Amino acid sequence: TQLLEQSPQFLSIQEGENLTVYCNSSSVFSSLQWYRQEPGEGPVLLVTVVTGGEVKKLKRLTFQFGDARKDSSLHITAAQPGDTGLYLCAGSYNFNKFYFGSGTKLNVKP
Amino acid sequence: EPEVTQTPSHQVTQMGQEVILRCVPISNHLYFYWYRQILGQKVEFLVSFYNNEISEKSEIFDDQFSVERPDGSNFTLKIRSTKLEDSAMYFCASSYTENTEAFFGQGTRLTVV
Repeated sequence: TQLLEQSPQFLSIQEGENLTVYCNSSSVFSSLQWYRQEPGEGPVLLVTVVTGGEVKKLKRLTFQFGDARKDSSLHITAAQPGDTGLYLCAGSYNFNKFYFGSGTKLNVKP
Repeated sequence: EPEVTQTPSHQVTQMGQEVILRCVPISNHLYFYWYRQILGQKVEFLVSFYNNEISEKSEIFDDQFSVERPDGSNFTLKIRSTKLEDSAMYFCASSYTENTEAFFGQGTRLTVV
């Protein structure tokens, strides 16, 4: 059962472009986390959103939690090659257990 | 900055052998987790641990798996008799409370041959 669907699976863009990746579910989550994972390494937490409609900004990254707490988006402004990586969303009902999406693999070309 | 550390970074073991994967969670954290990621697949929850007992486990976490906090700093995952399909990256994570986000270690790549 796919609790969290991420789209697109792959995204290749030029440096300076903007992009949005999506994380969708039919389930309502108490919280949703976004992580970035480099090959062979562990997921690195970027942000946690807990309130429906919440928007959080982290430099050029903007995260939004849907009003119904079923979906989320990550928007990157003026992407840089250093943004290249696998972006994972993970939803939780109780913070005790996270359900991960399959990820969006982003490649930013210089 | 405090971080979760895992050892070893890579372990190769014969099928049927026991392995112990080690983790040192962030020092003031109280909740501990193991996740795994089979190559090319999603990160999957295995088990959560609090107050010296398992608080939740997935169907993957069968009798071959066990967790322990042998002292005040280490958190271990033992696989009693490894199978080829246990080959994966195993990630340890910890959180301060049950209502805060978890921080992940760098992972142990387990290869069962």
